[in-house]
Amino acid sequence: DTAVSQTPKYLVTQMGNDKSIKCEQNLGHDTMYWYKQDSKKFLKIMFSYNNKELIINETVPNRFSPKSPDKAHLNLHINSLELGDSAVYFCASSPTLNTGELFFGEGSRLTVL
Amino acid sequence: AQKITQTQPGMFVQEKEAVTLDCTYDTSDPSYGLFWYKQPSSGEMIFLIYQGSYDQQNATEGRYSLNFQKARKSANLVISASQLGDSAMYFCAMRRIQGAQKLVFGQGTRLTINP
Repeated sequence: DTAVSQTPKYLVTQMGNDKSIKCEQNLGHDTMYWYKQDSKKFLKIMFSYNNKELIINETVPNRFSPKSPDKAHLNLHINSLELGDSAVYFCASSPTLNTGELFFGEGSRLTVL
Repeated sequence: AQKITQTQPGMFVQEKEAVTLDCTYDTSDPSYGLFWYKQPSSGEMIFLIYQGSYDQQNATEGRYSLNFQKARKSANLVISASQLGDSAMYFCAMRRIQGAQKLVFGQGTRLTINP
């Protein structure tokens, strides 16, 4: 059983389109995250949710909208995609807000043409 | 603000040798955790080892150990008896313990193990 699963793994789309990435964790963790890894491999947090509540919202364009229907799911919707949105997006979870390591999904590679 | 610095963009090591990957950090918080992750070419992020700022002993996990020098604010990863499968990107990261805290990553070091 995959602990943190993301879909889709690959996404190729045109500029201006809207797309979503879904994430689910079966670890029973309270906290979930979205991270963005750029072409230079730098990982930066975008959002974190704790028990469905938004906790961290880094300086991310409002074209990015996370949604957590329950504590096991955290989806990321991106409107009006731009070339600079091309990256690998990682979902992660941790037991609580400030304890334990992060468990990462396999990543979703988004390519905007 | 927290900051993690990994000064080695790339490292090349012969198989079976030990390797040290450098990591320095900057924080004013007394309580924090330090993490190392491995990212092989397949892309997934694999947790390797954790060190708490108040832990008295250096953390060890199999062939991985963390050389924690609090006064120098360094948390180097040591891999003993390197294997070809250790070739990957390695990321150092830290998180404050108090409150809702994000995991902040360094730039990463690409380790290549030569046969």
